Amino acid sequence: NAGVTQTPKFQVLKTGQSMTLQCAQDMNHNSMYWYRQDPGMGLRLIYYSASEGTTDKGEVPNGYNVSRSTTEDFPLRLLSAAPSQTSVYFCASSLSYEQYFGPGTRLTVT
Amino acid sequence: AQSVAQPEDQVNVAEGNPLTVKCTYSVSGNPYLFWYVQYPNRGLQFLLKYITGDNLVKGSYGFEAEFNKSQTSFHLKKPSALVSDSALYFCAVRDARTGTASKLTFGTGTRLQVTL
Repeated sequence: NAGVTQTPKFQVLKTGQSMTLQCAQDMNHNSMYWYRQDPGMGLRLIYYSASEGTTDKGEVPNGYNVSRSTTEDFPLRLLSAAPSQTSVYFCASSLSYEQYFGPGTRLTVT
Repeated sequence: AQSVAQPEDQVNVAEGNPLTVKCTYSVSGNPYLFWYVQYPNRGLQFLLKYITGDNLVKGSYGFEAEFNKSQTSFHLKKPSALVSDSALYFCAVRDARTGTASKLTFGTGTRLQVTL
């Protein structure tokens, strides 16, 4: 199993551009999550999905959108990038208790 | 609301000495508690969890953690530290009453530095 995979690993965007961060898991997990990690702030939940076809907002959803059309995939869309969205983004999945994380995408918005 | 506090930004310990990384939590119902480790430029890796039962839980790489309900703490411990344990450690909590999508709340992380 590849586990949780994320693409791209690095991305630089200009203010106002849009893009999609990809996340896929091959463990048949029901739940998937997107977090952002900023220095001194730990991980903050952006969006999550309890199952295919459902999504819910987390702590910091503004400026982002998600969809869950398959069990495997959970893409995160940045609608109009802002410098405040410069961060490291992690996708995770879970079946019951613990979550399994991808390697992350480092995003810089200039 | 649920929250986690990791009071130390950094813990320094010599190799071979015991280590403790502190975590306290706040949650309305019963807690599910977790420790994760993050090595440089990597995602988080699950170390151990407390769900129910024995207050002392054992996890990966020789780590263990003790759940203390009265002190609302879940400190991470290891009897003998290794240089390779140097990493960023996160404590996380979830309210046991929440549904199957386990919304975790993470602490801000503690950097463990183990020196020779």
